Amino acid sequence: KNEVEQSPQNLTAQEGEFITINCSYSVGISALHWLQQHPGGGIVSLFMLSSGKKKHGRLIATINIQEKHSSLHITASHPRDSAVYICAVRFGTGANNLFFGTGTRLTVIP
Amino acid sequence: DAGVTQSPTHLIKTRGQQVTLRCSPKSGHDTVSWYQQALGQGPQFIFQYYEEEERQRGNFPDRFSGHQFPNYSSELNVNALLLGDSALYLCASTIGDRGNQPQHFGDGTRLSIL
Repeated sequence: KNEVEQSPQNLTAQEGEFITINCSYSVGISALHWLQQHPGGGIVSLFMLSSGKKKHGRLIATINIQEKHSSLHITASHPRDSAVYICAVRFGTGANNLFFGTGTRLTVIP
Repeated sequence: DAGVTQSPTHLIKTRGQQVTLRCSPKSGHDTVSWYQQALGQGPQFIFQYYEEEERQRGNFPDRFSGHQFPNYSSELNVNALLLGDSALYLCASTIGDRGNQPQHFGDGTRLSIL
């Protein structure tokens, strides 16, 4: 069964803290996406990766293919980082659609 | 450079009615996917259109249908609306149907069924 699990479901942090959000999946994938969703619904694509590590500003995404696990890190967190962060994967090479986790709701307190 | 645009932003319908949602992909994109996101849940894949054909479909009944036009824009149609169809409907566009390009999402259409 194709499953994507995220942890934690909810996370509250003080401004400036280092944040980690985790994503695990059940079977082999061809790509993993980290997405950010703000209240109101719009989704922004943060990263797409299939191996290793990517960095953009204060955001870092890593993936371990053997362990079927990915992490999203936010350094020096800021209240504007408050959003729902969603992990989505593309299983195998035949299917083009994404399977989504239920998201991690992050609140950064000033 | 316009991103993915969806219309309308909000819609209220009653049970049994029919609804059409619209999506214009990001400039240069030719593939459109539709997702349903219930409150508190992650999005669920409905279907994907490429070259004006439905290429893949998720676990949704035939009440959900779609179309892609020659300009790559797309419509999602839902017939015989049920209360459970209340959700945020997201459109995403990308280049090609091989899944090796990032997807760009619209802001969604929030559909409420009374």
